[in-house]
Amino acid sequence: AQSVTQLGSHVSVSEGALVLLRCNYSSSVPPYLFWYVQYPNQGLQLLLKYTTGATLVKGINGFEAEFKKSETSFHLTKPSAHMSDAAEYFCAVSENAGGTSYGKLTFGQGTILTVHP
Amino acid sequence: ETGVTQSPTHLIKTRGQQVTLRCSSQSGHNTVSWYQQALGQGPQFIFQYYREEENGRGNFPPRFSGLQFPNYSSELNVNALELDDSALYLCASSLGTGSYEQYFGPGTRLTVT
Repeated sequence: AQSVTQLGSHVSVSEGALVLLRCNYSSSVPPYLFWYVQYPNQGLQLLLKYTTGATLVKGINGFEAEFKKSETSFHLTKPSAHMSDAAEYFCAVSENAGGTSYGKLTFGQGTILTVHP
Repeated sequence: ETGVTQSPTHLIKTRGQQVTLRCSSQSGHNTVSWYQQALGQGPQFIFQYYREEENGRGNFPPRFSGLQFPNYSSELNVNALELDDSALYLCASSLGTGSYEQYFGPGTRLTVT
């Protein structure tokens, strides 16, 4: 069974500071990993994803994440926070089972990012 | 290109009633997945429909059921509503099953009183 743990339900940073949102996963097969962002009263928007290949993945709005198999981690970073980054962020895992997986996403509990001036 | 749309945006139901939520998938997408997001929680997978057939199901009771139509739009039906069914229901469409990116709609906020 797959699972996702996001460390820290709330993260607060100053505008211009580094953003680091932590995600650890558990999966019995090679995973696909995702970060989604959710603004208030809206659906989920994909920030970035890792499927295969390069372990450092770049996404939209200046975010990136690195897949570390040995640490079962997929932490999300952004060098300089902007006020518009304030939202809730979800890490998700989908099992890569050689084409038999139907792509069910398992989400973490979410991390609310607050950016203050 | 039209994105994923869901209707209604909000609705309020009484315990024991039945509800139908609707989702129109993005153009060209043949797969629809439904998720339940309780307040303060991450979304939980309910089920997925691929080419009008249920293609996978999460840990939800049978009173949660669905349909997918030939145009790949989908419905989520919940019978015998319980207070704990109050949540944001998200629909996501994709080009297929497996690793294809899922595009989410804005959700339907269901309140059960």
